Amino acid sequence: DTGVSQDPRHKITKRGQNVTFRCDPISEHNRLYWYRQTLGQGPEFLTYFQNEAQLEKSRLLSDRFSAERPKGSFSTLEIQRTEQGDSAMYLCASSRDSYNEQFFGPGTRLTVL
Amino acid sequence: AQSVTQPDIHITVSEGASLELRCNYSYGATPYLFWYVQSPGQGLQLLLKYFSGDTLVQGIKGFEAEFKRSQSSFNLRKPSVHWSDAAEYFCAVGASSNDYKLSFGAGTTVTVRA
Repeated sequence: DTGVSQDPRHKITKRGQNVTFRCDPISEHNRLYWYRQTLGQGPEFLTYFQNEAQLEKSRLLSDRFSAERPKGSFSTLEIQRTEQGDSAMYLCASSRDSYNEQFFGPGTRLTVL
Repeated sequence: AQSVTQPDIHITVSEGASLELRCNYSYGATPYLFWYVQSPGQGLQLLLKYFSGDTLVQGIKGFEAEFKRSQSSFNLRKPSVHWSDAAEYFCAVGASSNDYKLSFGAGTTVTVRA
């Protein structure tokens, strides 16, 4: 059990560019979550996967955001046409079925210039 | 929908002194409550959780929390703080043990002075 990993840890991009983040959950964890955390705030739920199925998306997740989890393993979060307001820490978490103990990765810090 | 309030944005405590962090939740039924800690550059680590049963919950690193339904609170305590406890602490609530959507408070930053 190596924990949840995220790549990259930091990303600086210019407004209007597309970015993609990757999350590798703990093996055998069926559930995978994405959260966004802005400065001075707690994490906010973005979306959730049960295996490969994306079961809910927050209204925070605009049409510029898309998440996938092919084959129910790793997940990617893509942001198209980034805006300065997208600057935040993007956190990934995973958990087993029937447990709500979510294990978090170190996050990807996005800065949009 | 459930929500969490952490009234204290920042707390400074001396090493060896006791610590209490406040958490108030809003939810109609029995909530599922969590405390996480986040150190700089690190992800969130679960300190403890409350699902049911004994209202005094023991966690890792010497932390404990008490669920008080009458006060809608789930305060975190530690009898003697170590310098390594300096971090940001988040209280979170889920609507059920199977709820995938945690709602977090804004966090409390703890500074430990020597």
